[in-house]
Amino acid sequence: NAGVTQTPKFQVLKTGQSMTLQCAQDMNHEYMSWYRQDPGMGLRLIHYSVGAGITDQGEVPNGYNVSRSTTEDFPLRLLSAAPSQTSVYFCASSSLVNSNQPQHFGDGTRLSIL
Amino acid sequence: AQKITQTQPGMFVQEKEAVTLDCTYDTSDQSYGLFWYKQPSSGEMIFLIYQGSYDEQNATEGRYSLNFQKARKSANLVISASQLGDSAMYFCAMREGGDTGRRALTFGSGTRLQVQP
Repeated sequence: NAGVTQTPKFQVLKTGQSMTLQCAQDMNHEYMSWYRQDPGMGLRLIHYSVGAGITDQGEVPNGYNVSRSTTEDFPLRLLSAAPSQTSVYFCASSSLVNSNQPQHFGDGTRLSIL
Repeated sequence: AQKITQTQPGMFVQEKEAVTLDCTYDTSDQSYGLFWYKQPSSGEMIFLIYQGSYDEQNATEGRYSLNFQKARKSANLVISASQLGDSAMYFCAMREGGDTGRRALTFGSGTRLQVQP
């Protein structure tokens, strides 16, 4: 019963490097999203998707790209990493059928940009 | 714009006592949902309880209950009979209104609860 799986769990990058954070869910959820969590703050929405081929921006989208080619996967790409992107990243998914269903979160990816 | 306010950065409670974590919200939507999540030191986000804006009764889930006061726009989490394992960060979050489209959550800044033996 995997739920939402994020890889890697930890990553250190140098400024200007690119990387992709992976997110996969096995619950056939239509809705998937990426959040970032900075110290002393709650989670903030980066991007979200309501189905394959459909994505949209959240509260803090700058510096991040997403795509959704399958229901299961929703990768987050950092094209040119900046120190301000040092954060913990969470992927979440939920069904669109029932609005009272909670979002299921992955265990997070701790990303440090030097 | 939606906003969630958690005014208690940190709380202490004695083991076996009850504790209330405050959450107020601001929205112009008539239909919305309120969630509480627990984040232990290991970092994962654990769903605790949900309250819909049209729900007439306060939500309960085991030792967790939600004191929902719609007119005051508050959704306080009550944890009864606190246990040492309840020590964690607690986040209140709100989902935008309606049954269509986004399921985006707006989070408060959290309350760190420490349960003392």
